[in-house]
Amino acid sequence: AQSVTQLGSHVSVSEGALVLLRCNYSSSVPPYLFWYVQYPNQGLQLLLKYTSAATLVKGINGFEAEFKKSETSFHLTKPSAHMSDAAEYFCAVRSNAGNNRKLIWGLGTSLAVNP
Amino acid sequence: GAVVSQHPSWVICKSGTSVKIECRSLDFQATTMFWYRQFPKQSLMLMATSNEGSKATYEQGVEKDKFLINHASLTLSTLTVTSAHPEDSSFYICSAELSLSGFYNEQFFGPGTRLTVL
Repeated sequence: AQSVTQLGSHVSVSEGALVLLRCNYSSSVPPYLFWYVQYPNQGLQLLLKYTSAATLVKGINGFEAEFKKSETSFHLTKPSAHMSDAAEYFCAVRSNAGNNRKLIWGLGTSLAVNP
Repeated sequence: GAVVSQHPSWVICKSGTSVKIECRSLDFQATTMFWYRQFPKQSLMLMATSNEGSKATYEQGVEKDKFLINHASLTLSTLTVTSAHPEDSSFYICSAELSLSGFYNEQFFGPGTRLTVL
């Protein structure tokens, strides 16, 4: 079975500050891991994904995440927050084996960026 | 590339009527599409997996007679909410699966449909 825990349902940072959104996963098989962003009343946009290649993954809009197997974590970071980063962020996991391609979602973290 | 559209983007209907939502993969073929439901300030809940040419696979607790899914072509899946009631009001999101590198499939998401049932 797989699960995702996003620590902190709301995160608030100042513009220009470091963004850190936490995601821990549980998986009995090697996972694929994803971060998606959702702006109000819109669908989801893939920020980045880990698919068992490099453990440090760079995504769009300056975001990156590091897969740490020992910590079962896949935290999302951005060195300097912009006002446009304010949105809902979802971490998701799925199996990289077999025919199970369902995404298991975290509950999301709402990021607020203060001027 | 890999664009998924949904139509309509929003719909308001009266209680008891049926509403059809379309999900299209615009520049790729998708044998599998997924339908999600999202309540305000909550995560996505997978409703069903739609497979082209076969019956959809519904998640536990989702009424298949209430939420009819048809995946008649490789670029179109439809979700029909039958006899809609106010509690069906929600944001419905679809995704279409694209096979990459022969072994890894990635989901691309539509922009969502906001359903309000009066």
